Amino acid sequence: EAQVTQNPRYLITVTGKKLTVTCSQNMNHEYMSWYRQDPGLGLRQIYYSMNVEVTDKGDVPEGYKVSRKEKRNFPLILESPSPNQTSLYFCASSSHRGEGYTFGSGTRLTVV
Amino acid sequence: QKEVEQNSGPLSVPEGAIASLNCTYSDRGSQSFFWYRQYSGKSPELIMFIYSNGDKEDGRFTAQLNKASQYVSLLIRDSQPSDSATYLCAVYNFNKFYFGSGTKLNVKP
Repeated sequence: EAQVTQNPRYLITVTGKKLTVTCSQNMNHEYMSWYRQDPGLGLRQIYYSMNVEVTDKGDVPEGYKVSRKEKRNFPLILESPSPNQTSLYFCASSSHRGEGYTFGSGTRLTVV
Repeated sequence: QKEVEQNSGPLSVPEGAIASLNCTYSDRGSQSFFWYRQYSGKSPELIMFIYSNGDKEDGRFTAQLNKASQYVSLLIRDSQPSDSATYLCAVYNFNKFYFGSGTKLNVKP
C-alpha cells in the first residue's frame, strides 16, 4: 500500500530533550515536506526537500532540523524542544513539484 | 496578507444541498491549486486538483479556478453528513505549497 509513515503518533517530552520524528514513504517520491498544524493558524511548512541531499527552509524553520540522506526518509529533528513547539506535525510527499501531497498520519507532540 | 485565504466557517448545509467553498490567493504566479479534506484528528486527504482556468468535475465534486480573479472554489453536490469536515485550499507556487486555514463544513441530516 502506498503510504507515508510517521512515528511516533504521540509523544510527550520535556523541554530541552532532543527528539526525532521519523518519516518514510514507499512511493519513490522526490518531494517531501514537514508541516505543523496549530488551531487558527492552519498548516505551516517547516522544511522541504526536493531530492536527496537537497533541503530548504519553509515558513517556520526555527528550532527544527532535517536531513535527506535517502530518498524514502525525511526525519524531523528537534535539538532542544520548547513548549511553543507543542503541535500536530505532518510529513508529506509528492512525486514532483506541483503535484498534490500524500500526508502521513501525523505526530501529536507535547513539550512540557 | 496571507498567501491563501479561506472563510473559517462553519458552513452549514442540509443533506442533499450543494455546498460551496471558496478560497482566494495572493500571488498571480501560482501554478497549481488543490482541495484537501481533513476530518477531525486525521491527516489531510487530497480530493481535487486543478491547474487551468475553468471547471473540473470528479463525481460529486467540482473545482473551479479563475486566475484573473485569483479564486478557487469547490462545489459539493448532494452533500452527505459524511462530507462534514474541514476543507483546506492549497496553492503551489515556486517550490512551496501554501495552505489556507480551512473551512469547516457541517452537513445536517
